[in-house]
Amino acid sequence: DGGITQSPKYLFRKEGQNVTLSCEQNLNHDAMYWYRQDPGQGLRLIYYSQIVNDFQKGDIAEGYSVSREKKESFPLTVTSAQKNPTAFYLCASSPPSSEQFFGPGTRLTVL
Amino acid sequence: AQSVTQLDSHVSVSEGTPVLLRCNYSSSYSPSLFWYVQHPNKGLQLLLKYTSAATLVKGINGFEAEFKKSETSFHLTKPSAHMSDAAEYFCVVSGSGGGYNKLIFGAGTRLAVHP
Repeated sequence: DGGITQSPKYLFRKEGQNVTLSCEQNLNHDAMYWYRQDPGQGLRLIYYSQIVNDFQKGDIAEGYSVSREKKESFPLTVTSAQKNPTAFYLCASSPPSSEQFFGPGTRLTVL
Repeated sequence: AQSVTQLDSHVSVSEGTPVLLRCNYSSSYSPSLFWYVQHPNKGLQLLLKYTSAATLVKGINGFEAEFKKSETSFHLTKPSAHMSDAAEYFCVVSGSGGGYNKLIFGAGTRLAVHP
């Protein structure tokens, strides 16, 4: 069953703590993306990766980091430098020049 | 630069009546356009896409959209709303990302369907 999985579904972070969100795809897509969604603001691009071992900053990369060591995996770390991390985080993947396919999302809440 | 504007943040319809969700875009070249749907606490699902073929695009669940270049619009319609259509809808334009398909999202339209 092909698709994109994200874990955990819900995540709670304490002040000053780093947390890592998982994203895995078995669609054999080269490109992967991380978005942040806040109410009434649509989706904003955090990071994207077009190929293994390469990634670029999106529009709101400050306070986040990523890695792309395997084609199937694109984890996102929310660092303590991100001052307002409470949001819904969506991972996506795509083949070249095509629409993006989205995972089910992770809701992060700061305690 | 590409941009997209969804003209209504909220739309409310009765079950069985038509749905119209409005979207205008700005693009310096012929764009690819998409409509995605998101149910609460879920990921986004592609409803339909326009990629410079037929201007009337049919999607899943009875939705369709018409690309009108002269009006720079890509409105989403459905003849008869169902309760299960209640969700948030995003109009999206594909921008020139220097080799990757950067998507630019509208702010979303929340559709409510009443019995």
